[in-house]
Amino acid sequence: EDQVTQSPEALRLQEGESSSLNCSYTVSGLRGLFWYRQDPGKGPEFLFTLYSAGEEKEKERLKATLTKKESFLHITAPKPEDSATYLCAVQAWGTYKYIFGTGTRLKVLA
Amino acid sequence: NAGVTQTPKFQVLKTGQSMTLQCAQDMNHNSMYWYRQDPGMGLRLIYYSASEGTTDKGEVPNGYNVSRLNKREFSLRLESAAPSQTSVYFCASSEKGGGNEKLFFGSGTQLSVL
Repeated sequence: EDQVTQSPEALRLQEGESSSLNCSYTVSGLRGLFWYRQDPGKGPEFLFTLYSAGEEKEKERLKATLTKKESFLHITAPKPEDSATYLCAVQAWGTYKYIFGTGTRLKVLA
Repeated sequence: NAGVTQTPKFQVLKTGQSMTLQCAQDMNHNSMYWYRQDPGMGLRLIYYSASEGTTDKGEVPNGYNVSRLNKREFSLRLESAAPSQTSVYFCASSEKGGGNEKLFFGSGTQLSVL
């Protein structure tokens, strides 16, 4: 069964304190792995798509990496405005369905 | 820059009442989705529409019906609401629907069924 597990559930960082969020997945043939950011009371907003092991993508203070079993979202020198819930999702070949993890709630303190 | 628009934003129903959640996108996307988000469960797909005139059941379709009215609009109907349907509902769209595409989400409808 296709599955996505995110850890930790919640993370509190001081401003400038770098860290990583983890997304572990099992899927029958990975078509794509997606990262989204969700602010309270809003819908998820797309960040990255990763397609194959070894791939990396960056956007401002965020960098996403992918291995055959997991993905990491690295946050470098975070700011309070990076506080949000970060969602990971995967899609397998042969399906249109996206399997979402439960997310990591990130709080960055000034 | 409207993107995906959902109405209403909040709704309270009594058990057994019916209602329709509305969703419209202005990006000329082919595919549209309805998800529900519950604490500790992640986003779960209720129904999917690959294109105008087609709909498919997702992971949790029981108790719901959908209508893809045209390319822009995709509505979700609860015929007889139950407390288990208390959730936050998100509509999403993607450009082609062939898979491996980013989803564009609306801002959600928070539904409480008493």
